Amino acid sequence: DAMVIQNPRYQVTQFGKPVTLSCSQTLNHNVMYWYQQKSSQAPKLLFHYYDKDFNNEADTPDNFQSRRPNTSFCFLDIRSPGLGDAAMYLCATSRDRDRGNNEQFFGPGTRLTVL
Amino acid sequence: SQQGEEDPQALSIQEGENATMNCSYKTSINNLQWYRQNSGRGLVHLILIRSNEREKHSGRLRVTLDTSKKSSSLLITASRAADTASYFCATPTRGDYKLSFGAGTTVTVRA
Repeated sequence: DAMVIQNPRYQVTQFGKPVTLSCSQTLNHNVMYWYQQKSSQAPKLLFHYYDKDFNNEADTPDNFQSRRPNTSFCFLDIRSPGLGDAAMYLCATSRDRDRGNNEQFFGPGTRLTVL
Repeated sequence: SQQGEEDPQALSIQEGENATMNCSYKTSINNLQWYRQNSGRGLVHLILIRSNEREKHSGRLRVTLDTSKKSSSLLITASRAADTASYFCATPTRGDYKLSFGAGTTVTVRA
């Protein structure tokens, strides 16, 4: 089945220790998104890629970076995690930049704990 | 910034009852989407309704859209325990293809 996969499902890191979360997709979608979701809150878009074109949200801290080496994979790097970065990180894809048909497909998420 | 807001924040119903939740948004849209999120999991797309549609059905789900009031509702009929989840509405941001999600309605279906 075509899907969005995130690894690991649970990640524990120490304050200030860099961490990388990964996302892969078998849908062959052009757009990949990273969201941060804290408890009982809306998912907050951090950035997205359209193909290789990186698009950062204005309020995304510099501490968050992303890489998309190919169509299938996208990584979220947190350079120096703080306690406030503990959250669920969601990866999603959409077929293209079609405003009328922009359904998103989500992975199961990675729960990040910062000690 | 958040475009949509769901109401109520939380809802508890008995199995077999209907659940209704509402979403209000601020700017003109070309579509509105509803997603479900089970506890600790990713979001699952439920239904997309376009701005020129007033009502749409998918199985036990019924979505309405009133663009004059900038609001939408999601009705789940004959609820089941498996419907226990958070439900989010999502709208395009400023006419873009990206989505802005509301804070969600948490639905608990009691057996």
